[in-house]
Amino acid sequence: DQQVKQNSPSLSVQEGRISILNCDYTNSMFDYFLWYKKYPAEGPTFLISISSIKDKNEDGRFTVFLNKSAKHLSLHIVPSQPGDSAVYFCAASVGNQGGKLIFGQGTELSVKP
Amino acid sequence: DAGITQSPRHKVTETGTPVTLRCHQTENHRYMYWYRQDPGHGLRLIHYSYGVKDTDKGEVSDGYSVSRSKTEDFLLTLESATSSQTSVYFCAISDIAHSYNEQFFGPGTRLTVL
Repeated sequence: DQQVKQNSPSLSVQEGRISILNCDYTNSMFDYFLWYKKYPAEGPTFLISISSIKDKNEDGRFTVFLNKSAKHLSLHIVPSQPGDSAVYFCAASVGNQGGKLIFGQGTELSVKP
Repeated sequence: DAGITQSPRHKVTETGTPVTLRCHQTENHRYMYWYRQDPGHGLRLIHYSYGVKDTDKGEVSDGYSVSRSKTEDFLLTLESATSSQTSVYFCAISDIAHSYNEQFFGPGTRLTVL
Protein backbone atom coordinates (compact mmCIF):
# COMPACT_ATOMS: atom_id res chain seq x y z
CA ASP A 1 0.00 0.00 0.00
CA GLN A 2 1.60 3.22 -1.21
CA GLN A 3 1.39 5.76 1.60
CA VAL A 4 2.84 8.57 -0.51
CA LYS A 5 1.68 8.95 -4.11
CA GLN A 6 2.76 11.11 -6.99
CA ASN A 7 0.16 10.41 -9.62
CA SER A 8 1.82 12.28 -12.47
CA PRO A 9 4.85 10.36 -13.80
CA SER A 10 5.87 13.28 -15.99
CA LEU A 11 5.31 17.00 -16.49
CA SER A 12 6.43 19.28 -19.31
CA VAL A 13 6.60 23.06 -18.82
CA GLN A 14 7.87 26.00 -20.83
CA GLU A 15 10.85 27.92 -19.51
CA GLY A 16 9.78 30.89 -17.40
CA ARG A 17 6.39 29.42 -16.53
CA ILE A 18 5.30 27.82 -13.27
CA SER A 19 5.82 24.12 -12.57
CA ILE A 20 3.47 22.50 -10.09
CA LEU A 21 4.26 19.03 -8.81
CA ASN A 22 1.71 17.25 -6.66
CA CYS A 23 1.87 14.64 -3.92
CA ASP A 24 -0.82 12.89 -1.88
CA TYR A 25 -0.42 10.89 1.30
CA THR A 26 -2.62 8.61 3.36
CA ASN A 27 -0.94 8.38 6.76
CA SER A 28 -2.21 11.14 9.06
CA MET A 29 0.75 10.50 11.39
CA PHE A 30 3.20 12.04 8.92
CA ASP A 31 4.43 15.33 10.30
CA TYR A 32 7.31 16.19 8.00
CA PHE A 33 7.34 16.37 4.24
CA LEU A 34 10.32 16.80 1.98
CA TRP A 35 11.08 17.20 -1.70
CA TYR A 36 14.18 15.71 -3.27
CA LYS A 37 15.47 16.33 -6.77
CA LYS A 38 17.34 13.72 -8.79
CA TYR A 39 19.39 14.00 -11.95
CA PRO A 40 20.22 10.88 -14.00
CA ALA A 41 23.11 8.78 -12.64
CA GLU A 42 23.23 10.83 -9.43
CA GLY A 43 21.79 10.43 -5.96
CA PRO A 44 18.80 12.51 -4.85
CA THR A 45 19.50 15.90 -3.33
CA PHE A 46 17.36 17.67 -0.76
CA LEU A 47 15.34 20.59 -2.09
CA ILE A 48 12.86 21.86 0.50
CA SER A 49 10.80 20.61 3.43
CA ILE A 50 7.76 21.56 5.46
CA SER A 51 6.50 20.69 8.90
CA SER A 52 2.87 19.78 9.40
CA ILE A 53 2.40 22.83 11.63
CA LYS A 54 2.90 25.05 8.57
CA ASP A 55 0.97 25.36 5.35
CA LYS A 56 3.67 27.01 3.27
CA ASN A 57 7.44 27.14 3.07
CA GLU A 58 9.39 29.17 0.56
CA ASP A 59 13.00 29.06 -0.57
CA GLY A 60 13.85 31.21 -3.54
CA ARG A 61 12.05 29.92 -6.61
CA PHE A 62 10.69 26.91 -4.72
CA THR A 63 7.56 26.92 -2.56
CA VAL A 64 5.92 23.95 -0.93
CA PHE A 65 2.26 24.08 0.09
CA LEU A 66 0.67 21.68 2.53
CA ASN A 67 -3.08 21.02 2.81
CA LYS A 68 -3.45 18.69 5.77
CA SER A 69 -7.21 18.27 5.49
CA ALA A 70 -6.80 17.03 1.92
CA LYS A 71 -3.56 15.16 2.73
CA HIS A 72 -1.98 16.90 -0.22
CA LEU A 73 1.16 18.84 -0.84
CA SER A 74 2.53 20.57 -3.88
CA LEU A 75 5.84 22.01 -5.01
CA HIS A 76 5.77 25.21 -7.06
CA ILE A 77 8.78 26.29 -9.10
CA VAL A 78 8.63 29.84 -10.39
CA PRO A 79 10.06 30.66 -12.85
CA SER A 80 10.99 27.27 -14.24
CA GLN A 81 14.44 26.92 -15.80
CA PRO A 82 15.88 24.21 -18.08
CA GLY A 83 18.26 23.21 -15.27
CA ASP A 84 15.21 22.25 -13.20
CA SER A 85 14.62 19.29 -15.51
CA ALA A 86 14.96 16.28 -13.23
CA VAL A 87 12.93 13.71 -11.32
CA TYR A 88 11.30 15.11 -8.19
CA PHE A 89 10.46 12.87 -5.27
CA CYS A 90 8.07 13.74 -2.50
CA ALA A 91 8.84 12.08 0.86
CA ALA A 92 7.11 11.95 4.22
CA SER A 93 7.99 10.87 7.69
CA VAL A 94 6.96 10.69 11.29
CA GLY A 95 9.39 13.06 12.93
CA ASN A 96 10.75 10.96 15.77
CA GLN A 97 11.12 7.62 14.00
CA GLY A 98 14.79 7.59 13.14
CA GLY A 99 14.54 9.77 10.08
CA LYS A 100 12.93 7.01 8.03
CA LEU A 101 11.47 8.46 4.84
CA ILE A 102 8.57 7.15 2.75
CA PHE A 103 8.97 8.27 -0.86
CA GLY A 104 6.51 8.75 -3.66
CA GLN A 105 7.11 7.30 -7.12
CA GLY A 106 8.60 10.49 -8.52
CA THR A 107 7.59 12.98 -11.23
CA GLU A 108 9.90 13.67 -14.14
CA LEU A 109 9.90 17.39 -14.93
CA SER A 110 11.01 18.60 -18.33
CA VAL A 111 11.46 22.36 -18.79
CA LYS A 112 11.59 23.32 -22.46
CA PRO A 113 13.59 26.38 -23.57
CA ASP B 1 28.96 17.79 -1.41
CA ALA B 2 28.77 15.30 1.44
CA GLY B 3 31.57 12.73 1.27
CA ILE B 4 29.72 9.57 0.38
CA THR B 5 31.00 6.92 -1.98
CA GLN B 6 29.42 3.68 -3.04
CA SER B 7 31.18 0.67 -4.50
CA PRO B 8 30.88 -0.88 -6.91
CA ARG B 9 28.97 1.62 -9.07
CA HIS B 10 27.80 -1.12 -11.43
CA LYS B 11 27.56 -4.85 -10.97
CA VAL B 12 26.13 -7.73 -12.97
CA THR B 13 25.75 -11.01 -11.18
CA GLU B 14 23.90 -14.29 -11.48
CA THR B 15 20.95 -15.58 -9.51
CA GLY B 16 22.01 -17.35 -6.33
CA THR B 17 25.35 -15.62 -5.87
CA PRO B 18 26.13 -13.47 -2.82
CA VAL B 19 26.64 -9.76 -3.37
CA THR B 20 27.96 -7.06 -1.02
CA LEU B 21 27.57 -3.35 -1.66
CA ARG B 22 29.64 -0.85 0.27
CA CYS B 23 28.82 2.64 1.42
CA HIS B 24 31.67 4.76 2.75
CA GLN B 25 31.33 8.23 4.32
CA THR B 26 33.87 10.77 5.47
CA GLU B 27 31.39 13.02 7.31
CA ASN B 28 31.35 11.11 10.61
CA HIS B 29 27.55 11.06 10.49
CA ARG B 30 25.91 8.69 12.92
CA TYR B 31 22.95 7.58 10.82
CA MET B 32 23.19 5.62 7.57
CA TYR B 33 20.47 4.23 5.31
CA TRP B 34 20.15 1.87 2.37
CA TYR B 35 17.40 2.46 -0.19
CA ARG B 36 16.49 0.83 -3.47
CA GLN B 37 14.95 2.70 -6.38
CA ASP B 38 12.59 0.97 -8.78
CA PRO B 39 10.27 2.32 -11.48
CA GLY B 40 6.80 2.93 -10.08
CA HIS B 41 7.99 2.70 -6.48
CA GLY B 42 10.32 5.62 -5.92
CA LEU B 43 12.88 4.93 -3.20
CA ARG B 44 12.18 2.35 -0.50
CA LEU B 45 14.13 1.92 2.72
CA ILE B 46 15.85 -1.46 3.10
CA HIS B 47 17.81 -1.13 6.36
CA TYR B 48 19.23 1.67 8.41
CA SER B 49 21.85 2.13 11.12
CA TYR B 50 21.83 4.45 14.10
CA GLY B 51 25.37 3.69 15.21
CA VAL B 52 28.17 1.17 15.03
CA LYS B 53 26.67 -2.31 15.26
CA ASP B 54 23.17 -0.84 15.67
CA THR B 55 20.89 -1.56 12.73
CA ASP B 56 17.20 -1.99 12.05
CA LYS B 57 14.89 -3.06 9.25
CA GLY B 58 13.13 -0.82 6.78
CA GLU B 59 10.07 -1.50 4.68
CA VAL B 60 11.68 -3.93 2.18
CA SER B 61 14.30 -5.81 4.22
CA ASP B 62 13.57 -9.40 3.17
CA GLY B 63 16.56 -10.95 1.40
CA TYR B 64 18.98 -8.30 2.64
CA SER B 65 21.31 -8.02 5.60
CA VAL B 66 23.55 -5.18 6.74
CA SER B 67 26.56 -4.63 8.90
CA ARG B 68 28.26 -1.60 10.37
CA SER B 69 31.53 -2.29 12.15
CA LYS B 70 32.89 1.24 11.73
CA THR B 71 31.21 4.65 11.68
CA GLU B 72 32.29 5.26 8.11
CA ASP B 73 31.21 1.98 6.49
CA PHE B 74 27.76 0.47 5.98
CA LEU B 75 27.59 -2.78 4.05
CA LEU B 76 24.51 -4.21 2.33
CA THR B 77 24.59 -7.95 1.58
CA LEU B 78 22.36 -9.99 -0.66
CA GLU B 79 23.01 -13.53 0.60
CA SER B 80 21.59 -15.16 -2.53
CA ALA B 81 20.72 -12.66 -5.22
CA THR B 82 17.42 -12.96 -7.10
CA SER B 83 16.22 -11.22 -10.24
CA SER B 84 13.74 -9.19 -8.15
CA GLN B 85 16.73 -7.53 -6.50
CA THR B 86 17.79 -5.95 -9.78
CA SER B 87 17.64 -2.28 -8.87
CA VAL B 88 19.57 0.90 -8.20
CA TYR B 89 20.76 1.05 -4.60
CA PHE B 90 21.39 4.30 -2.77
CA CYS B 91 23.11 4.89 0.50
CA ALA B 92 22.25 7.97 2.57
CA ILE B 93 23.68 9.57 5.68
CA SER B 94 22.39 11.96 8.30
CA ASP B 95 23.81 13.46 11.46
CA ILE B 96 20.41 13.73 13.14
CA ALA B 97 17.75 11.06 13.05
CA HIS B 98 14.88 13.41 12.56
CA SER B 99 12.87 14.09 9.50
CA TYR B 100 13.57 17.82 9.44
CA ASN B 101 17.20 17.00 8.88
CA GLU B 102 18.07 16.26 5.30
CA GLN B 103 19.67 13.03 4.26
CA PHE B 104 22.66 13.14 1.91
CA PHE B 105 22.66 10.48 -0.76
CA GLY B 106 25.50 8.67 -2.48
CA PRO B 107 25.75 8.30 -6.27
CA GLY B 108 24.09 4.87 -6.34
CA THR B 109 24.99 1.32 -7.39
CA ARG B 110 23.23 -0.24 -10.35
CA LEU B 111 22.85 -3.98 -9.72
CA THR B 112 21.66 -6.42 -12.35
CA VAL B 113 20.86 -10.00 -11.36
CA LEU B 114 20.59 -12.34 -14.35
